[in-house]
Amino acid sequence: QQPVQSPQAVILREGEDAVINCSSSKALYSVHWYRQKHGEAPVFLMILLKGGEQKGHEKISASFNEKKQQSSLYLTASQLSYSGTYFCGTGFYGSSNTGKLIFGQGTTLQVKP
Amino acid sequence: DADVTQTPRNRITKTGKRIMLECSQTKGHDRMYWYRQDPGLGLRLIYYSFDVKDINKGEISDGYSVSRQAQAKFSLSLESAIPNQTALYFCATSAGTGYLNTEAFFGQGTRLTVV
Repeated sequence: QQPVQSPQAVILREGEDAVINCSSSKALYSVHWYRQKHGEAPVFLMILLKGGEQKGHEKISASFNEKKQQSSLYLTASQLSYSGTYFCGTGFYGSSNTGKLIFGQGTTLQVKP
Repeated sequence: DADVTQTPRNRITKTGKRIMLECSQTKGHDRMYWYRQDPGLGLRLIYYSFDVKDINKGEISDGYSVSRQAQAKFSLSLESAIPNQTALYFCATSAGTGYLNTEAFFGQGTRLTVV
């Protein structure tokens, strides 16, 4: 059930853009995005609930294509503070999946000056 | 004080020993989760609970057990620790109903080493 994130790692220069993808083999009800700094706990960025929904958080936005069972996180004009590991967390339909929150393997983002 | 508190923060234990990791929260959330984090594998769900009488296995529950002592407390036990249970463990809480989970809040993590 674990969603697949791509790429596994990305290195950027400040000001560059990045896209992180999250893909599931099961029908998705919701997608969460979190960022984890080294040695810290994951911190919530946003939730997406509906097909095609987009949300934004500063210069970070995301989309959710329910039909394709995919979500993408967009980081524009990246800053040094964006460095960390990004996780998508997925919620599924089905009575056996009520309340489950399953995370992907993570994407490590490094922003260099 | 942190909203989600895990104890201990670090623990080294020997193979075969029983160990308990504790989690308490002040968020008032019904839903609580235990995850383990390993490099390259992300956060994997061990157990989750909606209340003291509703406990569910996650993706990797073998070798683990849990106890929900109260709405605010959720403990993870390793009955007989083995080296491949060496990992960073996170407790998390969330509100929500049905399929919907709202924002998850994580504890600071417990780094467990089994030697």
